[in-house]
Amino acid sequence: NAGVTQTPKFQVLKTGQSMTLQCAQDMNHNSMYWYRQDPGMGLRLIYYSASEGTTDKGEVPNGYNVSRLNKREFSLRLESAAPSQTSVYFCASSPMWGNEQFFGPGTRLTVL
Amino acid sequence: KQEVTQIPAALSVPEGENLVLNCSFTDSAIYNLQWFRQDPGKGLTSLLLIQSSQREQTSGRLNASLDKSSGRSTLYIAASQPGDSATYLCAVGGNQFYFGTGTSLTVIP
Repeated sequence: NAGVTQTPKFQVLKTGQSMTLQCAQDMNHNSMYWYRQDPGMGLRLIYYSASEGTTDKGEVPNGYNVSRLNKREFSLRLESAAPSQTSVYFCASSPMWGNEQFFGPGTRLTVL
Repeated sequence: KQEVTQIPAALSVPEGENLVLNCSFTDSAIYNLQWFRQDPGKGLTSLLLIQSSQREQTSGRLNASLDKSSGRSTLYIAASQPGDSATYLCAVGGNQFYFGTGTSLTVIP
């Protein structure tokens, strides 16, 4: 099992460009999450999907959209990237909401 | 909003020492608390999950405790090894999930 996979690993964007971060899990988990990690701020929840077909805002959702494509895949879209979105993005999954979370390797995004 | 604090921010100990990492939170209405380790430039690895109804969990040399009423959790690492060097993060689960900023641990051979 690959666990949680994320693509791409690195990305550089110019201000105003758009992109989609991809996340997939092969553990048959129901819940999936997107976080960002910034120095001195810790990880902050952007959006989550408690189960297939549902998505909800986390602590810092502004500037992002998500799609729960199916049970395996949960994507994060930046419609118009801003330098403040420079961060490391992590996807995670858990069997159900409130269970142990398993993380992907992260995507390092730089917005110039 | 839940506030999660981890003190100290950094800790350096000689190999073989037992140590305790601390995590405190402001809202006791939680579902669970999870401890992770993060190596530089890597993702998070789950260490232990404590449900709100539990007081502690153990895995090998690791023991995590939870005191909801006082808003505290500790991670005890026995007989530390250089391979334990990493950043340790705690995450509190309630209506959402909130992370502390971590304790950077260095174990000196």
